[in-house]
Formats: sequence, C-alpha cells, structure tokens
Amino acid sequence: NAGVTQTPKFRVLKTGQSMTLLCAQDMNHEYMYWYRQDPGMGLRLIHYSVGEGTTAKGEVPDGYNVSRLKKQNFLLGLESAAPSQTSVYFCASSFQAEAFFGQGTRLTVV
Amino acid sequence: GNSVTQMEGPVTLSEEAFLTINCTYTATGYPSLFWYVQYPGEGLQLLLKATKADDKGSNKGFEATYRKETTSFHLEKGSVQVSDSAVYFCALRGGNQGGKLIFGQGTELSVKP
Repeated sequence: NAGVTQTPKFRVLKTGQSMTLLCAQDMNHEYMYWYRQDPGMGLRLIHYSVGEGTTAKGEVPDGYNVSRLKKQNFLLGLESAAPSQTSVYFCASSFQAEAFFGQGTRLTVV
Repeated sequence: GNSVTQMEGPVTLSEEAFLTINCTYTATGYPSLFWYVQYPGEGLQLLLKATKADDKGSNKGFEATYRKETTSFHLEKGSVQVSDSAVYFCALRGGNQGGKLIFGQGTELSVKP
C-alpha cells in the first residue's frame, strides 16, 4: 500500500545542473501537485495537474517544469538549478477532498 | 486569486490547555477548507475538512467551523496533549479555481508537559 512515493529523498546539486524529481501514486487519483516548503513560508504550490496530459502553474512556477504523461506519475524538472531552489519538495495527489502527501525530497543547490 | 492566512507561530502551550489557531481565507465561489498536520520529518496528513458554509469538521478532538460570513476556519481543541506538537496548516481548494490546493504558512505548536 505505497500511496505517494517520491524519488529521490535527498539530493545535492551544483548551480546550473539539471534534475528531475519523480512522484508516483497508486491510488488512481486525478489531481497531483508539487509544492516547496521553506522555513516561515509554508507550502507554496509550484505546479499542479487535474488529469493525465494536463498541467497548470501554481504560485511559484518560475524555474520549474512538469509533465504528466501517465496518470500515476508527475515529474518536476529543474533545468538549471539555482541556490534559491534549495528547499524540501512535496508531491501530493487527491481525488476529491483529501490530499495524500509523499515523504518529501530534500534538495540542496550549492 | 485565492489565499489563506494563518496566525504566526510558534505557539507554546501547557498540556491540557485550550488551543485556537486562527485561519482566514480569500476566495471566489465556494471553496472547501482543510486543516492538515505535519509531524517532524513527515509529509502532511489531513486532520479535518469542511466543504460548505456552517459545516463543522472534527477529528481527534480537534474541530473547525466553516464561517463564510467571516471567511474563517479556526482550529480548536479543548485540551491539548504533548503528542499534538506539530505544524498545522490551513488549506483551501476549489471555488472558482478548480482543483488548485493552496496552503497557509503553517503554525508550529509545541505542547509542554
């Protein structure tokens, strides 16, 4: 009963490097979300998807891209990492009311 | 666009004290409102929800009432325990912004024995 799984759990990047964070859910949920969590800032929505093949911008989309080619997967890409993208990233999925969260990915950009 | 504002933390209480964490929102339409809780090192989990005006959500002794007239969804608990120490997030989804789910900045609660 996996729920929402994020990979990797930790990563250190150098400025300018690229990477992709993977979120996988096994609950057949339509909605999926990517957030970043920073001290004192709460959770800020980066991008979200309301179904396979759809994506939409959230509150802080700059510097990130996403894809939802399969219903169960939601990928978050950083094309050219910057120190300002150092954060904990959370993925979530939901069907109607309740959202289920992954355990988070701690990303450090040096 | 929609937004959620929570009272700032940290909030420090003694065990068995009464808890209130204020949450107000701005939204068009009729959103659903939520409280999520995050324990150290974990992701968020749903604590309670309300989907229409005057609904009261409740769970584990916590409760919150959806007040459309004051655009509020304050979290309350009559007697907190040490195990309630966590970060609490107010959230909003829907209204005229469909599936977009947004959160307040979170309020850290610390309960001392």
